[in-house]
This record gives sequence, C-alpha cells and structure tokens, in this order.
Amino acid sequence: EAGVAQSPRYKIIEKRQSVAFWCNPISGHATLYWYQQILGQGPKLLIQFQNNGVVDDSQLPKDRFSAERLKGVDSTLKIQPAKLEDSAVYLCASSYTNRGRKETQYFGPGTRLLVL
Amino acid sequence: AQSVTQLDSHVSVSEGTPVLLRCNYSSSYSPSLFWYVQHPNKGLQLLLKYTSAATLVKGINGFEAEFKKSETSFHLTKPSAHMSDAAEYFCVVSEGDMRFGAGTRLTVKP
Repeated sequence: EAGVAQSPRYKIIEKRQSVAFWCNPISGHATLYWYQQILGQGPKLLIQFQNNGVVDDSQLPKDRFSAERLKGVDSTLKIQPAKLEDSAVYLCASSYTNRGRKETQYFGPGTRLLVL
Repeated sequence: AQSVTQLDSHVSVSEGTPVLLRCNYSSSYSPSLFWYVQHPNKGLQLLLKYTSAATLVKGINGFEAEFKKSETSFHLTKPSAHMSDAAEYFCVVSEGDMRFGAGTRLTVKP
C-alpha cells in the first residue's frame, strides 16, 4: 500500500513570498491532517479535513495560511505571505475514518520550509 | 484539554542496554495514547498505541509501553537498544485531536 505522498520535500523562499505544499493521502482515507513541526518541537495540528470539509482549523493562522481539499482526495496548503517564523516542517497525515481519538494517523515524509 | 509531557529531551544509551523514554499525560477522559518514531528526513511512524484494552502494549521493533492510570504515565521501553533505534520519539495523547509531546531524542552509542 502506498503511503502518504508530499511534495516538494524542501523549499527555500524569501519572506513575503508565497508557497504551496501538496499532499496525497493513502487511498481510501477520508480524513486528512496538516501539521506544522517547528525545530525542536512536536507537530502541531493546523487543519483537519473529513472528505472535502473542514473539521478543525482552530490553530490555522487564517490571515496567511489557507488549505483546501476540493475533491476530498489530495490537498494543498498555502502560505501567503510567508514570515520567518513559518520555517518548519509541514507534515501531512491521513486516517481511514474520523473516529477521533482511537484512529491511527499515517504520516508523510514532510516538506521542510526555510524562509529567509 | 489534554496535554503530554516528555520528561527527557535527550536520552543516551549504549547498544544492548535497556531503553526507557518517559511520558506523562493529562486528560479529562480516558485517552488514547500513542508513541511515534521519527528518523531523520523520514515521516513519523507509529510504534504502538493504547486504546483502553490491555495496559501493556507491545509495538514494533521490540518496543512496549505500559499505561498506568494512577501515575498518568505511558513510558516506552525496550530491553536492548540497537543502533537503528537512534531517532526522535514522540508521545501523543488524544481525546479527539492528537497532542504531541516535545519529543525525546534517543542516541545509541556503540
């Protein structure tokens, strides 16, 4: 079974530029998550989708971050404009259902973003 | 709201000696608890999870963890460390959404 795919793996941009990350979850997984992992910290949930609807985006900085999952499969996370503090690894994860706390999430390799 | 504390930011052991990575949690309900491992430049991989069944949970690669409600702990152990175990380990508590600890970096010396 193919895992969660993410691209690009690395991205370097200057502050105030925009950037987009792509994620393709495991086939058949209804729930998709985007996490931000700052160096030396654990991942922090940014947004959770159930199919093509948003379940939780309470920690997404909506003035600069946006995400979509239009067809309920792959997803795009965008930052516009980027700030220095956005430098982090952006992880995508998926799970089969939205059974919440018991559901295992499967993670992609992440996109490492450096904002200069 | 739930939270998790990993008591050691860095643990160093010699190959062949036991591993103990400590995790305490705070939760209003009966939580689900997970341990994930992250190797450099790789995605997070599930080691094991506790979901209110047996309190001693066995995972992959010889790791296991014991859920102790009275101590609100979920420590990760392995009897004998291998060089390949060197990685970052995350304890996770979930009441609905997952909250990650800050991570423990495990170093294994030859």
